[in-house]
Amino acid sequence: DTGVSQDPRHKITKRGQNVTFRCDPISEHNRLYWYRQTLGQGPEFLTYFQNEAQLEKSRLLSDRFSAERPKGSFSTLEIQRTEQGDSAMYLCASSLVVHEQYFGPGTRLTVT
Amino acid sequence: AQSVTQLDSQVPVFEEAPVELRCNYSSSVSVYLFWYVQYPNQGLQLLLKYLSGSTLVESINGFEAEFNKSQTSFHLRKPSVHISDTAEYFCAVTHSNYQLIWGAGTKLIIKP
Repeated sequence: DTGVSQDPRHKITKRGQNVTFRCDPISEHNRLYWYRQTLGQGPEFLTYFQNEAQLEKSRLLSDRFSAERPKGSFSTLEIQRTEQGDSAMYLCASSLVVHEQYFGPGTRLTVT
Repeated sequence: AQSVTQLDSQVPVFEEAPVELRCNYSSSVSVYLFWYVQYPNQGLQLLLKYLSGSTLVESINGFEAEFNKSQTSFHLRKPSVHISDTAEYFCAVTHSNYQLIWGAGTKLIIKP
């Protein structure tokens, strides 16, 4: 069990570019979550998958954001036309038992 | 709506001294409560959780937290801290099966 992995760990992009992040959950976990964390704040919920179904999306997730989890395994989070306000740490978590989420190391996005 | 307040952004304490990190929440329904820890340059790790039953819950590394329904609190305590406890600690609550609501975090700074 290698835990939750995220790729890349760091991403620097120019405003207006598209970026895609990947999350590989713990293999037997059917639930997957995306959060965003800005400096000095706790994580904010973005979206939740159970298997391949996206069951909930936060209002924070504008139409520039899209997440997928094909085949119920890894997940991708894409941000189109990035803005400086998108700069944050993007966290992925997975769980088997509902109330025990395991987090990856995060992807730090910097939009210049 | 649920919210979580961590009253202290930083708590400095001498090594081997006791510490309490405060967490208060607001919710109109029953909640589940969590403390997560984030060591420098690492991902979030579940420290302990309250789901039901005994209001006092313990972690394997000497931390404990007590659920106080009347005061809507879930403070984290340790009787004697070690330099290795240096980290940021996040309190989180949920009443659903997926969405954690987080506090802003408390940095525990251990002074030698």
